[in-house]
Amino acid sequence: GENVEQHPSTLSVQEGDSAVIKCTYSDSASNYFPWYKQELGKGPQLIIDIRSNVGEKKDQRIAVTLNKTAKHFSLHITETQPEDSAVYFCEGNAGNMLTFGGGTRLMVKP
Amino acid sequence: DAGITQSPRHKVTETGTPVTLRCHQTENHRYMYWYRQDPGHGLRLIHYSYGVKDTDKGEVSDGYSVSRSKTEDFLLTLESATSSQTSVYFCAISEGSLEAFFGQGTRLTVV
Repeated sequence: GENVEQHPSTLSVQEGDSAVIKCTYSDSASNYFPWYKQELGKGPQLIIDIRSNVGEKKDQRIAVTLNKTAKHFSLHITETQPEDSAVYFCEGNAGNMLTFGGGTRLMVKP
Repeated sequence: DAGITQSPRHKVTETGTPVTLRCHQTENHRYMYWYRQDPGHGLRLIHYSYGVKDTDKGEVSDGYSVSRSKTEDFLLTLESATSSQTSVYFCAISEGSLEAFFGQGTRLTVV
């Protein structure tokens, strides 16, 4: 199955700074690259995704970039706010199985 | 919100007892998944289903079984619960290489 690695496992930033989380995957056939946000006591929810025919996608303060040659994609959060504090997961999808990165706990300090 | 419901939301059970967790969806999605979430381990796939009566193992399937007799229901059974199965369990649904929708989770404690 797909091997997905996510870094860093924890990230602490000052409010207003940027945060970047990186995910590497193993299956070159992957063509869908989503990021999920999990708030305390809830299930993960999709925040942004990208398909393999696009190199970058933005939605307000968040963006995802994809490098298919190097097999990695990254989540970028600009102007971080305290409500961005959560656990973030990337997903790999080879065939029918959905495999998730180990998660990144982002802490935004006011 | 996607129509996906997990029950129960919380359960405390004794070692050696059988436990069944239920995932119910109203989205008619083909794929259903069971994950466990433990500190330091992220989301680990237990079992998944790609259709009625079609299931397959994930990376941490030992001690768990699943059944899917209807499109909308995916059951996870711990035949004889152990303390190592204390965890938060999440069900997810998807339609192939598209967004996955998660339930709210079931917190299971085995004492």
